[in-house]
Amino acid sequence: AQSVSQHNHHVILSEAASLELGCNYSYGGTVNLFWYVQYPGQHLQLLLKYFSGDPLVKGIKGFEAEFIKSKFSFNLRKPSVQWSDTAEYFCAVRNGNKLVFGAGTILRVKS
Amino acid sequence: EPEVTQTPSHQVTQMGQEVILRCVPISNHLYFYWYRQILGQKVEFLVSFYNNEISEKSEIFDDQFSVERPDGSNFTLKIRSTKLEDSAMYFCASFGRESYEQYFGPGTRLTVT
Repeated sequence: AQSVSQHNHHVILSEAASLELGCNYSYGGTVNLFWYVQYPGQHLQLLLKYFSGDPLVKGIKGFEAEFIKSKFSFNLRKPSVQWSDTAEYFCAVRNGNKLVFGAGTILRVKS
Repeated sequence: EPEVTQTPSHQVTQMGQEVILRCVPISNHLYFYWYRQILGQKVEFLVSFYNNEISEKSEIFDDQFSVERPDGSNFTLKIRSTKLEDSAMYFCASFGRESYEQYFGPGTRLTVT
């Protein structure tokens, strides 16, 4: 069965700092990988997804993620965070037709 | 942009009572899901539904839970006799083959007292 590990549960950054959130998944053949964001009081929104092709995936709001097959990783990055990026971020992998989520990383950006 | 909607946004119920959580998936989607997130924990898969039947369910989805698509637009999750540990945010999602992306609703916060 697929599983997802997110290494950092809480991250605190100052505005304009660079962000990298770690995500590792267990091997299970072809992988479809996702990053979702949950802003305070709101629902899960898709930031980006990887199915195949270019391992560097661009998403919304300036986020990107890199699929590194040899490391079973799909880390999320943003060069310069803003206060409005304060949210919880979830990495997920598709297992059949369902998603398996990581535990989430709470990002707080200080203004 | 089409979206998944859920009602109610917050439901408070007493232990042992039945609750029904409602979802309206995106209209041309064929796969429907319920997930839940207990406060401070990860989002967990409960059940998937396709072609008017359950296609997969987790070990959490025991006999107290049921799902239904009563009228071709709504998708409901029923908990027959709620327990304190059922308190969580319940998310509905639907899946469209055109993008292989699951779209999530805003969630229903269920509080069992």
